[in-house]
Amino acid sequence: EDKVVQSPLSLVVHEGDTVTLNCSYEVTNFRSLLWYKQEKKAPTFLFMLTSSGIEKKSGRLSSILDKKELFSILNITATQTGDSAVYLCASLEGTGGGNKLTFGTGTQLKVEL
Amino acid sequence: NAGVTQTPKFRVLKTGQSMTLLCAQDMNHEYMYWYRQDPGMGLRLIHYSVGEGTTAKGEVPDGYNVSRLKKQNFLLGLESAAPSQTSVYFCASSYGTSGNTIYFGEGSWLTVV
Repeated sequence: EDKVVQSPLSLVVHEGDTVTLNCSYEVTNFRSLLWYKQEKKAPTFLFMLTSSGIEKKSGRLSSILDKKELFSILNITATQTGDSAVYLCASLEGTGGGNKLTFGTGTQLKVEL
Repeated sequence: NAGVTQTPKFRVLKTGQSMTLLCAQDMNHEYMYWYRQDPGMGLRLIHYSVGEGTTAKGEVPDGYNVSRLKKQNFLLGLESAAPSQTSVYFCASSYGTSGNTIYFGEGSWLTVV
């Protein structure tokens, strides 16, 4: 059975801290690993990782994929209260008829002053 | 630029009632998905469609039916609502199988009493 596991489930940090969120996956027909940020409504896209070892960066956020060990990490440096959200990772799999996402349960991040 | 639009946003149903959630996308995407999100469970795929006139079961299809009569619309039906179907439902769409990003609607909050 395909599965995506995220850790930790929740995390509380202070502004300015650096956090690392983890995502491991066991899926067949793996294509890519995606990270999303979810505040109150729909998940918003952060990164898509297809190749191993290539870091993707956007401002204070960065992510990398290890296809040998089947995991990805999302780093957030100099955290701000606006980073408080649920961070979801998902594996994109190619099925016989198309692609589909399998999500992890998410990491709830709270950044306090 | 509407993107993915879900209606209704909120609904309260009595056990045994039926209803349909409508998802519409204006991006000419081939692939459309319905997810449900419950606390501590992440997003779980209910059904998906790889093109007009086609549908397929996801991870948690029981109690739901779907139809994709037009490319831009993907309908999720509950024939006889149960309290276990109280959840937030997200529709999503994507262009192809090469790992393109998937776009989510704003969510539909459904409560079954």
